[in-house]
Amino acid sequence: DVKVTQSSRYLVKRTGEKVFLECVQDMDHENMFWYRQDPGLGLRLIYFSYDVKMKEKGDIPEGYSVSREKKERFSLILESASTNQTSMYLCASSAGWQETQYFGPGTRLLVL
Amino acid sequence: AQSVTQPDIHITVSEGASLELRCNYSYGATPYLFWYVQSPGQGLQLLLKYFSGDTLVQGIKGFEAEFKRSQSSFNLRKPSVHWSDAAEYFCAVNNNAGNMLTFGGGTRLMVKP
Repeated sequence: DVKVTQSSRYLVKRTGEKVFLECVQDMDHENMFWYRQDPGLGLRLIYFSYDVKMKEKGDIPEGYSVSREKKERFSLILESASTNQTSMYLCASSAGWQETQYFGPGTRLLVL
Repeated sequence: AQSVTQPDIHITVSEGASLELRCNYSYGATPYLFWYVQSPGQGLQLLLKYFSGDTLVQGIKGFEAEFKRSQSSFNLRKPSVHWSDAAEYFCAVNNNAGNMLTFGGGTRLMVKP
């Protein structure tokens, strides 16, 4: 079974803090993704990566950056957290283009 | 740009009743279509997917979906709902030029005993 893990289930941060969300997959997948999930809006793609050190912007990259130094790990960084970044963050991975995306359990982030 | 609409934000059905969740998409070519389910506190799990071929697709947990090109729809169905089906359901479309999924807003299903 594919396993995608996220470092935290819940996080509480203060406005202006730098926040790191970590995601690890154990299936040697090429592609990894970060989404945010908000009620009524479904999931929106923030960034994705198709290889180590490669990244592409998704639909809502503003205020976020990412890092992929190793194939199995994809980090989402909030350089200076703001209250409008309070959300559920989901990581996913897939073996390649048009392949199924497998999701982690999510990190619920609250920015005060 | 592609888009996905799930017209029903909430649906309540009685246990044992049939279920249909609606999904409409907007995309110029033949899309790749997915249904995911998210149980409380969990990530998303793939229920089924349509890439090509037979327009009626069988998935896990007794779910099926039918692709109707003329209606730009990919509705999810289950003949008899169980209490454990209470969850949020997401329809998604993948442009077949890449691996970027566009999700609908989700439908929250509640099941009455």
